[in-house]
Amino acid sequence: QVQLVQSGAEVKKPGASVKVSCKASGYTFTSYGISWVRQAPGQGLEWMGWISAYNGNTNYAQKLQGRVTMTTDTSTSTAYMELRSLRSDDTAVYYCARDLGELHFDYWGQGTLVTVSS
Amino acid sequence: SYELTQPPSVSVSPGQTASITCSGDKLGDKYACWYQQKPGQSPVLVIYQDSKRPSGIPERFSGSNSGNTATLTISGTQAMDEADYYCQAWDSSISYVFGTGTKVTVL
Repeated sequence: QVQLVQSGAEVKKPGASVKVSCKASGYTFTSYGISWVRQAPGQGLEWMGWISAYNGNTNYAQKLQGRVTMTTDTSTSTAYMELRSLRSDDTAVYYCARDLGELHFDYWGQGTLVTVSS
Repeated sequence: SYELTQPPSVSVSPGQTASITCSGDKLGDKYACWYQQKPGQSPVLVIYQDSKRPSGIPERFSGSNSGNTATLTISGTQAMDEADYYCQAWDSSISYVFGTGTKVTVL
């Protein structure tokens, strides 16, 4: 069965960076993309960006351009999302999701809570 | 920028029908999908490509999309359907966009 398993919760200080991992299993990793979505406490879902696990092409949300980098390691079927220059309003649960390509996300990871606090 | 607007809340009695709307400019020209999210859980896809149900999603969930509005309908609503629901579409200008979310309460 398809599974996306994310790394554990993180606490970071403002200005620091965080890197969240998402290990995929149960399907051919390079046949799909991975999107990252975040959700601030009590708020809605916000799409952050997408990476092709086939060739590494990326597409980032405009508001995060310059602060976010998404990568993949096909040898371990793992996707990574790094967010730099963290601010308090980056505090959120971060999700990875299998992306069917300009359509929808059919499987989601369990989420990773990132708390930014001094 | 492209925006999708949903009502903040919808209330429904058990066994009745709940309808959740999602409004966006020419939304009917795009594919819409819907996610259900219960407290403390990851979102779950309940409708994709306007009206298709993933395997394992009950038949009481249905969807439509025309003009500027996509609609998620829950027929014979059950207590377990109480959750937040988000619509989503893809637009070439900003890629993926989520709706503002609707809290469904089963009274």
